[in-house]
Amino acid sequence: ILNVEQSPQSLHVQEGDSTNFTCSFPSSNFYALHWYRWETAKSPEALFVMTLNGDEKKKGRISATLNTKEGYSYLYIKGSQPEDSATYLCAFNVYYKLSFGAGTTVTVRA
Amino acid sequence: EAGVVQSPRYKIIEKKQPVAFWCNPISGHNTLYWYRQNLGQGPELLIRYENEEAVDDSQLPKDRFSAERLKGVDSTLKIQPAELGDSAVYLCASSFSRLTSGDGQETQYFGPGTRLLVL
Repeated sequence: ILNVEQSPQSLHVQEGDSTNFTCSFPSSNFYALHWYRWETAKSPEALFVMTLNGDEKKKGRISATLNTKEGYSYLYIKGSQPEDSATYLCAFNVYYKLSFGAGTTVTVRA
Repeated sequence: EAGVVQSPRYKIIEKKQPVAFWCNPISGHNTLYWYRQNLGQGPELLIRYENEEAVDDSQLPKDRFSAERLKGVDSTLKIQPAELGDSAVYLCASSFSRLTSGDGQETQYFGPGTRLLVL
């Protein structure tokens, strides 16, 4: 079982503010890291697949960075909107198996 | 394009009863996964199918859980008998994998899950 940790567990952010949170994973035998967004009552939505040290990915106001040598990834939300409220999951990929963190639940207050 | 479909969305049963979940993957996806998410934790893989073959069922509690993927398309996951600790969200996911040359990094597309409550 791979230890994938996400912090913080939850956070509240004011509409319009930016925020970020962390995913930590084993730094040895890196393969790939996935980020998902999971809104209540919906399907988890794939955001990014990150494979190379130094990778930066962006989708709209959401972006992510990857440091495989130290074993962490940051996800950033710029100018948070109420529709960004969701649980954000990261998953460490070894071959076909995803080992998920417990997620960071983001609540954007209007 | 239709996403991964799961049913039912919610299920409440009494312990010792059987329960079954159904999953219809995205058309053309050859790999299908079942995950279980316990409260406060991330999803954990139960079983992975490549076409109709279960290639990784190491995390499936085989004393009470069973799964099948007939014809390599739809899949069902069954629990018999259910226990209180089986209360969780059961997620199905699918991907298109290049099985002979792939590296397993393909995006997995998830359904909305079935929320099971065992009383």
